[in-house]
Amino acid sequence: GAGVSQSPSNKVTEKGKDVELRCDPISGHTALYWYRQSLGQGLEFLIYFQGNSAPDKSGLPSDRFSAERTGGSVSTLTIQRTQQEDSAVYLCATNLQRTDGELFFGEGSRLTVL
Amino acid sequence: DAKTTQPNSMESNEEEPVHLPCNHSTISGTDYIHWYRQLPSQGPEYVIHGLTSNVNNRMASLAIAEDRKSSTLILHRATLRDAAVYYCILRAAFTSGTYKYIFGTGTRLKVLA
Repeated sequence: GAGVSQSPSNKVTEKGKDVELRCDPISGHTALYWYRQSLGQGLEFLIYFQGNSAPDKSGLPSDRFSAERTGGSVSTLTIQRTQQEDSAVYLCATNLQRTDGELFFGEGSRLTVL
Repeated sequence: DAKTTQPNSMESNEEEPVHLPCNHSTISGTDYIHWYRQLPSQGPEYVIHGLTSNVNNRMASLAIAEDRKSSTLILHRATLRDAAVYYCILRAAFTSGTYKYIFGTGTRLKVLA
């Protein structure tokens, strides 16, 4: 597709289960960011990829959160042993990392932990 | 990390100009100022960005203070479709050649018909 694609768009899970959220970037975009947005809040930075490497993981809230990116393309954010406070919209954004640096966002994955 | 400060909410009448302020007093010389907006149930979308000079595009204008410690997003004629949360963001560059987009709290703009 032409834009950043995220899946699933909605995920309901039980506390303690693991979830995987996927982000398909715009073709050729080397930089990829994950953000978390809790209800009524702003965007919280989680992790940044340049190609397949993650030079900045400073935003991951705990060791239950991990992310990987393969082939410089698709990225997966994994949350293990989910907790109710993990409920949020998880947003992925990508860009070419040029000087202008416009970010292109996906529609997000809404996670609800019961 | 440099931070931005925005009012929580603002109101505007339709067809009138809107000035959305942002303070970023700890901005560094290489930080770009970006603005994004987020419509309900959507991901944020790019509006405009700049470094030192004022910028204009089809969506808006960006006025940057001479000391760069504040900026203002200007919507010249607000429409009902402009009702959204507007985020003022600093794009910070690091010596490693990586970048970080630091979001503020956003301003919820309400446009009155």
